[in-house]
Amino acid sequence: NAGVTQTPKFRVLKTGQSMTLLCAQDMNHEYMYWYRQDPGMGLRLIHYSVGEGTTAKGEVPDGYNVSRLKKQNFLLGLESAAPSQTSVYFCASSSLRAVAYNEQFFGPGTRLTVL
Amino acid sequence: GEDVEQSLFLSVREGDSSVINCTYTDSSSTYLYWYKQEPGAGLQLLTYIFSNMDMKQDQRLTVLLNKKDKHLSLRIADTQTGDSAIYFCAESPSYYGGSQGNLIFGKGTKLSVKP
Repeated sequence: NAGVTQTPKFRVLKTGQSMTLLCAQDMNHEYMYWYRQDPGMGLRLIHYSVGEGTTAKGEVPDGYNVSRLKKQNFLLGLESAAPSQTSVYFCASSSLRAVAYNEQFFGPGTRLTVL
Repeated sequence: GEDVEQSLFLSVREGDSSVINCTYTDSSSTYLYWYKQEPGAGLQLLTYIFSNMDMKQDQRLTVLLNKKDKHLSLRIADTQTGDSAIYFCAESPSYYGGSQGNLIFGKGTKLSVKP
């Protein structure tokens, strides 16, 4: 039982390049989330999904797209990376059964640098 | 807008008690949470409190909730060097409908424990 895994762990991009971050969870959770963490800013929600085939915007969705084609995977895409997207990206998941107290399980993070 | 406020830094000596404070804005949040982030890792749920409670104790951890002032605190008794981490306060705001499990996080309080 690996919990929530993220690939890659580190990535350096040039401005304008594209990439996809992969999040996978093996806990059969319905809900999945993408956050970014910046110094002094805490965690901010980018996009989230309440189930396979559904996604919704969070607090800071601009410049990102997501897809949830399979229940266990949640992909975050950057179509044209910008230096402002340099950040640490965290994926999380939670269970519908536990939504009342909403324990979110976090992956280890992806450190992205855009030059 | 919705906001969760925390002081950014706290330094204590090993064996002392640590108190981390938080203020939140959504009075309808059903649960309030404390998450812990160790260096280089994702967040882990430390404890949570239901909004109709004013105190919850769990071993060395004591959570106090003042709903009138929208103030939440986390007390760690007998603080150890292993408690050094960033502690995030979080609420689940009602404008997300309560069904998606979304959380609003504070910016995090970095706790440093000196031997």
